[in-house]
Amino acid sequence: DSGVTQTPKHLITATGQRVTLRCSPRSGDLSVYWYQQSLDQGLQFLIQYYNGEERAKGNILERFSAQQFPDLHSELNLSSLELGDSALYFCASSAKEKLANYGYTFGSGTRLTVV
Amino acid sequence: AQSVAQPEDQVNVAEGNPLTVKCTYSVSGNPYLFWYVQYPNRGLQFLLKYITGDNLVKGSYGFEAEFNKSQTSFHLKKPSALVSDSALYFCAVRDSLLSSGSARQLTFGSGTQLTVLP
Repeated sequence: DSGVTQTPKHLITATGQRVTLRCSPRSGDLSVYWYQQSLDQGLQFLIQYYNGEERAKGNILERFSAQQFPDLHSELNLSSLELGDSALYFCASSAKEKLANYGYTFGSGTRLTVV
Repeated sequence: AQSVAQPEDQVNVAEGNPLTVKCTYSVSGNPYLFWYVQYPNRGLQFLLKYITGDNLVKGSYGFEAEFNKSQTSFHLKKPSALVSDSALYFCAVRDSLLSSGSARQLTFGSGTQLTVLP
């Protein structure tokens, strides 16, 4: 167990629907990162939050949004889902002072299947 | 901007033979370099890192990596491969030089599938 918890592990939904993915970072980590892993795009950075504030945005679609709550857990909201959104979504966390030493700690991911 | 390339999608090696998984990077300042491993249906696990110091870095499970600044490379190596090493390997980089608005996140390569044949 890495200490980063992602729920649910699997999600199957229809096109046009909206889903919410949840991530609880490792205890003490203030930064949360979301990544999308698909076969054709590899591991793509979506967005980063640090202590409740958005810090960096990557290749995140406008249909996607995220937030980090006061208890530091984060949610990634995906709306108007398309078949191409099917992927593994990873959350990772880091402590600011340890990023340079250890990089990230990853959760086990949420596998989203859009049908 | 920071980037990393893993030129091989697939590497096959016989058990007991040495293995190398290649990685090259591009950053503006000095690099922070990482290798992660991903087993099926699992998250990425940290293997080793280079921040500063010795160019040869030793990590988990007998893996090591050599930092070569002139060639901007950080190849992952293991002297004797095991079947259990079969997995997807990712190289990642972050630029130590940060300015307002620059990337603070790790940038990952496309991954290399390592298959160790018995």
